[in-house]
Amino acid sequence: AQSVTQLGSHVSVSEGALVLLRCNYSSSVPPYLFWYVQYPNQGLQLLLKYTTGATLVKGINGFEAEFKKSETSFHLTKPSAHMSDAAEYFCAVTEGNQGGKLIFGQGTELSVKP
Amino acid sequence: GAGVSQSPRYKVTKRGQDVALRCDPISGHVSLYWYRQALGQGPEFLTYFNYEAQQDKSGLPNDRFSAERPEGSISTLTIQRTEQRDSAMYRCASSSNRGLTEAFFGQGTRLTVV
Repeated sequence: AQSVTQLGSHVSVSEGALVLLRCNYSSSVPPYLFWYVQYPNQGLQLLLKYTTGATLVKGINGFEAEFKKSETSFHLTKPSAHMSDAAEYFCAVTEGNQGGKLIFGQGTELSVKP
Repeated sequence: GAGVSQSPRYKVTKRGQDVALRCDPISGHVSLYWYRQALGQGPEFLTYFNYEAQQDKSGLPNDRFSAERPEGSISTLTIQRTEQRDSAMYRCASSSNRGLTEAFFGQGTRLTVV
């Protein structure tokens, strides 16, 4: 069975600092991995996804993530945090070819301090 | 419409009543997904459709929950004899085809059972 673990339910960084949100997955088959962002009172928005090919994936708003099979990880990073990055972030995995049938982690709330 | 639309946005119901939650996907989207999200948790898959066919209902928690998409567009998630533990955010998503394409999420329906 697949699962996703996000380390840290709350992460706080200063504006301009590195953002690192951790995600580890468990899957018996090659996974497809996703990061979604949820702003208050809005739906989930896809930041980036990894399916096959290049293991470093770039997404919107300056975020990127690297698939590391040996570590079963897919951590999300951004070199310099902006106040507008404050939101909840979800890592998700799917094993099939149905991109919308996802198993989500519990989420990490990112706070950005001025 | 421009995005996935869910109605109502908020629903308060008394224990034992039936509720129907509606999802209007992006026009032309083949696949439609339902998720439930408890407070402080990630979304949990319930069921999905390709066109009007329900492909997977493995996430429906019990037989009080059902979903339909009779004409392959709008979908309704029905919860019969609601219980307090059904209180959650119910999210709908749609995607343009059955592959690993992005799923677009609606803003959700916040259900409170009192």
